[in-house]
Amino acid sequence: NAGVTQTPKFRILKIGQSMTLQCTQDMNHNYMYWYRQDPGMGLKLIYYSVGAGITDKGEVPNGYNVSRSTTEDFPLRLELAAPSQTSVYFCAGNSRNTEAFFGQGTRLTVV
Amino acid sequence: AQKVTQAQTEISVVEKEDVTLDCVYETRDTTYYLFWYKQPPSGELVFLIRRNSFDEQNEISGRYSWNFQKSTSSFNFTITASQVVDSAVYFCALSEMTTDSWGKLQFGAGTQVVVTP
Repeated sequence: NAGVTQTPKFRILKIGQSMTLQCTQDMNHNYMYWYRQDPGMGLKLIYYSVGAGITDKGEVPNGYNVSRSTTEDFPLRLELAAPSQTSVYFCAGNSRNTEAFFGQGTRLTVV
Repeated sequence: AQKVTQAQTEISVVEKEDVTLDCVYETRDTTYYLFWYKQPPSGELVFLIRRNSFDEQNEISGRYSWNFQKSTSSFNFTITASQVVDSAVYFCALSEMTTDSWGKLQFGAGTQVVVTP
């Protein structure tokens, strides 16, 4: 099993551009999450999903969108990128009564 | 609202010293989960432990031990006889106690542990 896989690992965006961070998992997790980690800070929840077709906002959802059309995939969409979205993004997944498994992270810089 | 405070930003120790990381939490829930994760320099997050609010028994796993005190809302983590490989950022986290919430976490800011030979 590859676990939770994120692509790309690094990306530089210009202000106003858009992009999609990909997250896929092969562990049959029902639950998936997107977090962002700013320097010197803990991770903050952006969006989460409890199953295909169901998504909900976390603590910091503004400027982002998600979809969950399949159990395996949980892409995060950035529209109109802003410098405040410069961060490291982590996707995670878990099944009922198991801890969350995190992807390797995507380091995004908006210039 | 939930809050997790890790007041120590960075701790530097020499190899073989013990190091204790503090974690204080706030929650209105009477039942909840507490977690510790490790983030090594490579950047991934590694799960270390989960503790539920019913169980205040201390836990030891090899050189790692955890002290949960509900009375002081603390869940401290000690590394005994530290090694260079323990150098990482360590996060304490809190979640509601539901079967759906083990990944919906409120993280502390993290403590950077630097172990020098």
